[in-house]
Amino acid sequence: AQSVTQPDIHITVSEGASLELRCNYSYGATPYLFWYVQSPGQGLQLLLKYFSGDTLVQGIKGFEAEFKRSQSSFNLRKPSVHWSDAAEYFCATFRAQKLVFGQGTRLTINP
Amino acid sequence: NAGVTQTPKFQVLKTGQSMTLQCAQDMNHNSMYWYRQDPGMGLRLIYYSASEGTTDKGEVPNGYNVSRLNKREFSLRLESAAPSQTSVYFCASSEMGGGVGANVLTFGAGSRLTVL
Repeated sequence: AQSVTQPDIHITVSEGASLELRCNYSYGATPYLFWYVQSPGQGLQLLLKYFSGDTLVQGIKGFEAEFKRSQSSFNLRKPSVHWSDAAEYFCATFRAQKLVFGQGTRLTINP
Repeated sequence: NAGVTQTPKFQVLKTGQSMTLQCAQDMNHNSMYWYRQDPGMGLRLIYYSASEGTTDKGEVPNGYNVSRLNKREFSLRLESAAPSQTSVYFCASSEMGGGVGANVLTFGAGSRLTVL
């Protein structure tokens, strides 16, 4: 069954530094993969999605993610983080018509 | 355009009390979902409704009931609240039924429930 794992519970980076958040998915025919962001006290907002085609996906707020079938990964990247990127990030996939989430990665930004 | 609206935003209950969380969407979406969010657990699906008139259990349905009142509304009921149900609850909806964009979920702002 399709599922996702986020190995990092908490990551701290300095403002202006690059960011990579990891997401590994279990084997599936054609995974539908998503990254959502949750700002403190807010609901979840879609950053980007991958269904098929180009393996490098651009999202909102300057984020991108790359689907790598050989590594079963869908890592989220941003070249230069801003203090406003501090939030919790969730990788997700569809399994039996239901959206299944990873455990989440909390991102802290140091000034 | 309001999107997904949840009420109430905050609620404190005593063990054994009952309550209903309300959810409404104005995007004409077919599918609706209830998730709970607990620290370190991500979001776990409680119940979902693939279309009006249908409901199905998710990963953690015990202690909850749902009603898909019409296409817009999907309520979550706790019949006898327990401290283990202290959580933040999120309602979501999606178009589903076809098209690559149909699987994207739109979330409400969440309802924080505390059971004493």
